[in-house]
Amino acid sequence: DAKTTQPNSMESNEEEPVHLPCNHSTISGTDYIHWYRQLPSQGPEYVIHGLTSNVNNRMASLAIAEDRKSSTLILHRATLRDAAVYYCIPGTTSGTYKYIFGTGTRLKVLA
Amino acid sequence: DSGVTQTPKHLITATGQRVTLRCSPRSGDLSVYWYQQSLDQGLQFLIQYYNGEERAKGNILERFSAQQFPDLHSELNLSSLELGDSALYFCASSVVPENTEAFFGQGTRLTVV
Repeated sequence: DAKTTQPNSMESNEEEPVHLPCNHSTISGTDYIHWYRQLPSQGPEYVIHGLTSNVNNRMASLAIAEDRKSSTLILHRATLRDAAVYYCIPGTTSGTYKYIFGTGTRLKVLA
Repeated sequence: DSGVTQTPKHLITATGQRVTLRCSPRSGDLSVYWYQQSLDQGLQFLIQYYNGEERAKGNILERFSAQQFPDLHSELNLSSLELGDSALYFCASSVVPENTEAFFGQGTRLTVV
């Protein structure tokens, strides 16, 4: 399984953009990069996923490096409700697809 | 609301006992995943099913077993419970196993006393 490295914690001010980095240098060429977040006392929640090009949805943007060894989740305007643990997860393929959660980044949003 | 239903929400039981956790996936989802989350271990992948068949296995103990039924609901059976099995157990579902959005339930909090 591909390994990921994320900062343990980050802080952001409310209404400002947040860039959450993830290194996944061992990812294979066909593995998508998924991002989930877990708000306090809730189950994980899908944020976004992509393969090579940058992706946008209503929650966030995903910027994937050209060599695919790293990616950045971008929250364009952080709100207090975005305070959560964010997980970067490389999808594993070859018939044994599973989501392996690492330790994630705990995002604190300051009012 | 993710559409994934887990029952019960809370469960308190004694060591040595056996419990069954139930998961109803979102309508139309064929794949089900089980995870264990304890304070010191984070989210641990246990097992995945797709349309009734086991597709992937994580660090699931031999005392634990699971299955997915023809109506696609899934059950996780935990036996010979130990204090260390106390955790939040999450179920997730997705349409297919690969490269798609997975939806998580609110979890079952198991306390072993």
